[in-house]
Amino acid sequence: QSVLTQPPSTSGTPGQRVTIPCSGSSSNIGSNTVNWYQQFPGTAPKLLIFSNNQRPSGVPDRFSGSKAGASASLAISGLQSEDEADYYCSAWEDSLNGVLFGGGTRLTVL
Amino acid sequence: EVQLVESGGGSVQPGGSLRLSCAASGFTFSRHWMHWVRQAPGKGLVWVSRINSDGTTSTYGESVKGRFTSSRDNAKNSLYLEMNNLRVEDTAVYYCAREWIIPGRIDYWGPGILVTVSS
Repeated sequence: QSVLTQPPSTSGTPGQRVTIPCSGSSSNIGSNTVNWYQQFPGTAPKLLIFSNNQRPSGVPDRFSGSKAGASASLAISGLQSEDEADYYCSAWEDSLNGVLFGGGTRLTVL
Repeated sequence: EVQLVESGGGSVQPGGSLRLSCAASGFTFSRHWMHWVRQAPGKGLVWVSRINSDGTTSTYGESVKGRFTSSRDNAKNSLYLEMNNLRVEDTAVYYCAREWIIPGRIDYWGPGILVTVSS
């Protein structure tokens, strides 16, 4: 099971703003930066947000990230049908000396 | 353009072994720490292992520790995952992934390769 906790699913309508929370602890999110990945069925994950709130080149500014304490969240504004995908948070885990991923959140655009 | 391409997957019986390879191109492979991440059918991402840039240090997830070994050949721009004593629960798509600057920050992923463990 994942130590980073995400809701399994969420939904929104086109144009709406949705947020996906990711809850961790002091040994992961609380002391390290958070990354977010977007994954479409049958394809590899893609880096969406790094260092809590930074977007790689080419990622629309509709996607934003934030972090407070041991929790983080991904926000998607102006929701579009092509945003329908799975979203994963991740952070370095000090005790594991490795990477933790959240369980993933499936976003459905109604 | 950064490219990572996995190979070596397939079907194996429980208790068997398999060796995955990942061919890297489009960047200076020897400068980057590398990861293996897996995803069981219909499930989420699970970190498997991480190896440092010169191949002298590796760390592993609890579920594979003692059974899987990560290695690399920087002269061949290649990453490897030796998987022994495979279990049914190791069935997954295995991704090779590149770390970028900060521990755990993965910026590029290969397309993945399927490993099926079944009797």
